[in-house]
Amino acid sequence: GDSVTQMEGPVTLSEEAFLTINCTYTATGYPSLFWYVQYPGEGLQLLLKATKADDKGSNKGFEATYRKETTSFHLEKGSVQVSDSAVYFCALSDRGSGTYKYIFGTGTRLKVLA
Amino acid sequence: NAGVMQNPRHLVRRRGQEARLRCSPMKGHSHVYWYRQLPEEGLKFMVYLQKENIIDESGMPKERFSAEFPKEGPSILRIQQVVRGDSAAYFCASSPPRSGGASDTQYFGPGTRLTVL
Repeated sequence: GDSVTQMEGPVTLSEEAFLTINCTYTATGYPSLFWYVQYPGEGLQLLLKATKADDKGSNKGFEATYRKETTSFHLEKGSVQVSDSAVYFCALSDRGSGTYKYIFGTGTRLKVLA
Repeated sequence: NAGVMQNPRHLVRRRGQEARLRCSPMKGHSHVYWYRQLPEEGLKFMVYLQKENIIDESGMPKERFSAEFPKEGPSILRIQQVVRGDSAAYFCASSPPRSGGASDTQYFGPGTRLTVL
């Protein structure tokens, strides 16, 4: 079945450092891809998404490009802030089944130090 | 437009009791999904519903768990005879009606954190 693999955390960075969180997927169909962010004690907030190959999603300085050839959707940010500390989830939408249910990666915890 | 609402935010139950979790989707949204997040893990799909219909319950445990999305009112996730292993955060998400390639983005509620003593 479909699956999402994320790099394990925690990732600890200094403020203004460059961030990359790797995400790869396997899917029988042609999924949409998403990054969600979860702050402590809260629900998931959509960070960005891409629906087809070579699409680039971007929001709040974060970017990710849908790479069909490498089945990847890596999250990047050029300069992280302390306020970016959170757990980041990569997900795909299972279009093939017609339900569009999400399959999530295990999440990557990011800690940014001042 | 209010977001997805879930209540209660925190729920404590003793083993053997029933837990009822409520989810009100965003206005105009007709698709509801329930996910479970165990401590320090990612979210796992449980069930997908449309009004008055269960479309996919492949992620639901076979016993004790049920879900509904009635014509009127919120979606309910019901857990009977709770056990300690049911302790988790339960998230509801909704998405708008889909037609001809419309968005498959889901919008999540704040979750219900269930603790079973």
